[in-house]
Amino acid sequence: DTGVSQDPRHKITKRGQNVTFRCDPISEHNRLYWYRQTLGQGPEFLTYFQNEAQLEKSRLLSDRFSAERPKGSFSTLEIQRTEQGDSAMYLCASSSQETQYFGPGTRLLVL
Amino acid sequence: RKEVEQDPGPFNVPEGATVAFNCTYSNSASQSFFWYRQDCRKEPKLLMSVYSSGNEDGRFTAQLNRASQYISLLIRDSKLSDSATYLCVVNEDTGRRALTFGSGTRLQVQP
Repeated sequence: DTGVSQDPRHKITKRGQNVTFRCDPISEHNRLYWYRQTLGQGPEFLTYFQNEAQLEKSRLLSDRFSAERPKGSFSTLEIQRTEQGDSAMYLCASSSQETQYFGPGTRLLVL
Repeated sequence: RKEVEQDPGPFNVPEGATVAFNCTYSNSASQSFFWYRQDCRKEPKLLMSVYSSGNEDGRFTAQLNRASQYISLLIRDSKLSDSATYLCVVNEDTGRRALTFGSGTRLQVQP
């Protein structure tokens, strides 16, 4: 499968714990995006990388959230001190031009 | 006011019906427009891009009215497999790469 992959697909954690998600984009895509989606809503943009540079961050991305793409390939999204409001689907997308292709998402539940 | 607004539905239609979805966007500087389809608990997948001249892909027709800041999607001869949530998506500015999603319109095609 040469699409966007994400790991883990599901994560249950207790409030206050840290979690880290991984995204592997389509191999030739230099752009990578993170979005968050809650029930009944469309995805909301979190952050964007071009190669290894993080070029844009949403105001939704609080200080507890950090994203990296150290070698311009895979990316990680870490949430520190999780809160119940962080429960959502975290989607990664990649693109080489205009069209963004989404991975299957990581569904996070914070208890 | 939301940046991209859609009627959440659900639209319940019989097989073979024609159904139309509408979407409005608030940022007149928006540059690119798309319809994505999202199945329950799955990632969004690009259905089609939307061009000023309108475009058609099989049973699907998309239209853009820049003056009214309005996008539409028409589905002819609905199939059971068309049941999904249809997300209206806007790229607001060529300087930004983030996509802005509507909350989606749910379609249920019934036998």
